[in-house]
Amino acid sequence: GQNIDQPTEMTATEGAIVQINCTYQTSGFNGLFWYQQHAGEAPTFLSYNVLDGLEEKGRFSSFLSRSKGYSYLLLKELQMKDSASYLCASMDSNYQLIWGAGTKLIIKP
Amino acid sequence: EADIYQTPRYLVIGTGKKITLECSQTMGHDKMYWYQQDPGMELHLIHYSYGVNSTEKGDLSSESTVSRIRTEHFPLTLESARPSHTSQYLCASSESGTGPSAQHFGDGTRLSIL
Repeated sequence: GQNIDQPTEMTATEGAIVQINCTYQTSGFNGLFWYQQHAGEAPTFLSYNVLDGLEEKGRFSSFLSRSKGYSYLLLKELQMKDSASYLCASMDSNYQLIWGAGTKLIIKP
Repeated sequence: EADIYQTPRYLVIGTGKKITLECSQTMGHDKMYWYQQDPGMELHLIHYSYGVNSTEKGDLSSESTVSRIRTEHFPLTLESARPSHTSQYLCASSESGTGPSAQHFGDGTRLSIL
């Protein structure tokens, strides 16, 4: 079956670094997406990985290992505005997104 | 950044009513999607469209229908609303083409059925 696993909730301190993990099992694979969703708002696109390795985009980086079915989102220099849910989604062979339930990230001062 | 608009933002309505949730995008995207999302849960695909006059059902059967008469417009209709339909409904669109592309979301409609 198709499945996405990510932690339900994480807590980190302002200015620190946090890594949010995601494991996936999908029928076929056409890449791994990360989205940010603030409470009551729409998801916004953060990153896309289809090849193994690390993609860096400012304070946010995303890593993919296709052989392990594993990805992580790394957030550096955390700010209070980074408090949100982070959604991992795998694109299957039909180019449909299979979504995780999201990781709620709480930033403390 | 994609411009995609959903109306209404919030709707509280009684059981048995017919409801249409509106979604429009101004980016000329061929692909459009409707998702249902409960608090703290994953997005579930309800319907999608790859272009005008093309509509498909997603994994979640929510007793709804969609139409795609124009590229920019993708309304979702619930023929007879039930309390189980209470949820947030998100519309999204993505660029044309056969390969992967990021989906851009509207602000959502939060629906409450009494």
